[in-house]
Amino acid sequence: GAVVSQHPSWVICKSGTSVKIECRSLDFQATTMFWYRQFPKQSLMLMATSNEGSKATYEQGVEKDKFLINHASLTLSTLTVTSAHPEDSSFYICSASDHEQYFGPGTRLTVT
Amino acid sequence: AQKITQTQPGMFVQEKEAVTLDCTYDTSDPSYGLFWYKQPSSGEMIFLIYQGSYDQQNATEGRYSLNFQKARKSANLVISASQLGDSAMYFCAMRGGGTSYGKLTFGQGTILTVHP
Repeated sequence: GAVVSQHPSWVICKSGTSVKIECRSLDFQATTMFWYRQFPKQSLMLMATSNEGSKATYEQGVEKDKFLINHASLTLSTLTVTSAHPEDSSFYICSASDHEQYFGPGTRLTVT
Repeated sequence: AQKITQTQPGMFVQEKEAVTLDCTYDTSDPSYGLFWYKQPSSGEMIFLIYQGSYDQQNATEGRYSLNFQKARKSANLVISASQLGDSAMYFCAMRGGGTSYGKLTFGQGTILTVHP
């Protein structure tokens, strides 16, 4: 099946710094990538949808200036959490889609 | 707007027994897809089974089957012969059509615990 990777798998950063999470489709070209956020024992909440070469579409309530999404190629999308705060600590999951949707393994972000 | 509801925060089942995880949905799209995912403690999302809104038969994948009742807008997951490795969080999700195509809306999840 299709493989999606995320890097890093976990990251700890200090409050006020920025952190970048990469999502790659390893064996297929993803026209669309999705970014989700999940708090412990809760559901996945869609943050934004990104299409290669165009601006991401953010869900209501998601700060686009705080969560910068870039989809520079058909195999790579990045999520940058800018000026991270402890409340941004969460599990971030990407998925990549050519027609079906394939999930990455997730990135656990802890902001101290 | 699409909505997925999972009303069972937690379920317990004895090993080798069958268990049903409930899922109801609401959508105005005539065409939609319903998914079940398993999320173990590692966090990865494991695809289990898919049912299309126009599929006449209930989907089955090994020990997983989807009890699709379109009129009731329900898509319950049945796991037969539970195994200890089935202990995980399970999510029901829906993919709609139109402008929402591709987006998945997830339910709240059900934590399944399999007892030996």
